[in-house]
Amino acid sequence: DAKTTQPTSMDCAEGRAANLPCNHSTISGNEYVYWYRQIHSQGPQYIIHGLKNNETNEMASLIITEDRKSSTLILPHATLRDTAVYYCIVRVGIQGAQKLVFGQGTRLTINP
Amino acid sequence: EAQVTQNPRYLITVTGKKLTVTCSQNMNHEYMSWYRQDPGLGLRQIYYSMNVEVTDKGDVPEGYKVSRKEKRNFPLILESPSPNQTSLYFCASVARGGSRNTQYFGPGTRLTVL
Repeated sequence: DAKTTQPTSMDCAEGRAANLPCNHSTISGNEYVYWYRQIHSQGPQYIIHGLKNNETNEMASLIITEDRKSSTLILPHATLRDTAVYYCIVRVGIQGAQKLVFGQGTRLTINP
Repeated sequence: EAQVTQNPRYLITVTGKKLTVTCSQNMNHEYMSWYRQDPGLGLRQIYYSMNVEVTDKGDVPEGYKVSRKEKRNFPLILESPSPNQTSLYFCASVARGGSRNTQYFGPGTRLTVL
């Protein structure tokens, strides 16, 4: 699986959009970008995933650059409950080993 | 409600006393997995199971056993726990279909081995 690089920490004001970047310059053509988050020692929670196109669901939006070397997770209206560590993971979708490799992630703090 | 449950949530034990952490999922997933999380090391996979009676080692299997006798349950067994197995443990099961490879994690079990 391709390696990802994320900032160690970020801050965002409550109610504003939180934009979390992720670099994955060695991504392969069949690898998806997944985002998970972990709120204070709880089990990691799936947020969203995508291959080439931008994706949106009830939790977030995922913007993937045209060359697929980087992506941005967008939480459109951050709340205090969005304070968590966010992990960007690149891996093959449904084939291969099912292991997820979690890096250090980005610690996002939402401030009142 | 679709979920992964783990028991116990917290456990303090002593070196050498066998213990089992249970994991159960109600989503009929074939694939299940155990991770441990330690400060500075992230989540590391211990064992995984592709289906009933099919298990395999992950990255850190030493000191652990698992079994998969039925699809919904995947217990983690520590035959002789040691202090270096003090950690936060997560069970996960995987939804597969189309492009989707989404892992659902349990709430975690915080284990302390004295």
